[in-house]
Amino acid sequence: AQKITQTQPGMFVQEKEAVTLDCTYDTSDPSYGLFWYKQPSSGEMIFLIYQGSYDQQNATEGRYSLNFQKARKSANLVISASQLGDSAMYFCAMRDPLTGNQFYFGTGTSLTVIP
Amino acid sequence: DAGITQSPRHKVTETGTPVTLRCHQTENHRYMYWYRQDPGHGLRLIHYSYGVKDTDKGEVSDGYSVSRSKTEDFLLTLESATSSQTSVYFCAISEADRDAEAFFGQGTRLTVV
Repeated sequence: AQKITQTQPGMFVQEKEAVTLDCTYDTSDPSYGLFWYKQPSSGEMIFLIYQGSYDQQNATEGRYSLNFQKARKSANLVISASQLGDSAMYFCAMRDPLTGNQFYFGTGTSLTVIP
Repeated sequence: DAGITQSPRHKVTETGTPVTLRCHQTENHRYMYWYRQDPGHGLRLIHYSYGVKDTDKGEVSDGYSVSRSKTEDFLLTLESATSSQTSVYFCAISEADRDAEAFFGQGTRLTVV
């Protein structure tokens, strides 16, 4: 079965600093996609960034980037220059490599940005 | 923003009563999903649909049923609500492409008393 592991229940970062949120995944399929979502205290789920297993470069979207290490099966989210509005839950997810039918989510990491 | 609407947004119901949550999309996406979110568990898939009248179970489907009679609507029914089904329920949609992200509704907070 596919699985996503996020081992950091909570993280703190000083404003304007960078922070890395960890995500490891388990699949034997060579082709897969990884996603990161943000859930602020208001509750909505916001898509942040996508990384395909065959992408040659790490994905970047503004202040978000993915540190993708395929051999280690890790896809860590890096947030640069943290802002107070980055305080939220962050979820890593993988779309089912075999069927594409569903998304598997990790348990999330709660990030708090300290002024 | 993707056009996806959940109703109701909040509901309190009594144990043993049936409850139906509705998800409506205006994006014509093929896939629709129902997830529940509980502390310490992240998002867990209840059921999903890959087309009209085509549905399948997720990892926590016991006690839930779904129906999709139109592309735009995906209904989640709790036949006889239990306190363990108190949760936040999210509907999501996605296109069929393997690299397509899921878009989420605003969520429904359901309390079973």
